[in-house]
Amino acid sequence: GDSVTQMEGPVTLSEEAFLTINCTYTATGYPSLFWYVQYPGEGLQLLLKATKADDKGSNKGFEATYRKETTSFHLEKGSVQVSDSAVYFCALNTGGFKTIFGAGTRLFVKA
Amino acid sequence: NAGVTQTPKFQVLKTGQSMTLQCAQDMNHEYMSWYRQDPGMGLRLIHYSVGAGITDQGEVPNGYNVSRSTTEDFPLRLLSAAPSQTSVYFCASSYSGTGDGNTIYFGEGSWLTVV
Repeated sequence: GDSVTQMEGPVTLSEEAFLTINCTYTATGYPSLFWYVQYPGEGLQLLLKATKADDKGSNKGFEATYRKETTSFHLEKGSVQVSDSAVYFCALNTGGFKTIFGAGTRLFVKA
Repeated sequence: NAGVTQTPKFQVLKTGQSMTLQCAQDMNHEYMSWYRQDPGMGLRLIHYSVGAGITDQGEVPNGYNVSRSTTEDFPLRLLSAAPSQTSVYFCASSYSGTGDGNTIYFGEGSWLTVV
């Protein structure tokens, strides 16, 4: 079945460091791919998405490129801030109602 | 814009009690769902609905009931609370078409403790 695997956390970085959170997927068909972010005490919110191969999603300095050949959608940011501390979820949707989420990766950014 | 609204935000129940988590959305979304979030396990789908009058089970449906009498509302009922149901619950909705890329909109969460 469809699945999403993302790197285990927590990831701890110093402010202004480069961030990569790996995400790979298994899916039949051509899924849409998402990154959601959950700040402490809040619900998940969409960070970025890509709906077809080679698309790059971007938002708030974060980027991810839909790589069909490697079935990956890695999240990157060039310079993290303390305010980026959150849990990040990779997810896929192959159409319709059901979205599959990864287990989440917690990011801590130290000042 | 209200989006997805769920209540209550916090609740403590005794084992065996029942309760209903309320969820409403004002975006005219056809798809609604309930997830639970537990440490180290990410999000797990409890129940979902693809439209008014239509519901189905997700990964972890035992101990929960849902109904969808209107497009806007999708309450989750705990029939007889157990400590294993201590969790954070999220209601979510999404557009049924493909134009939005099936983006999911989440409520702010309900923290439930069963003692």
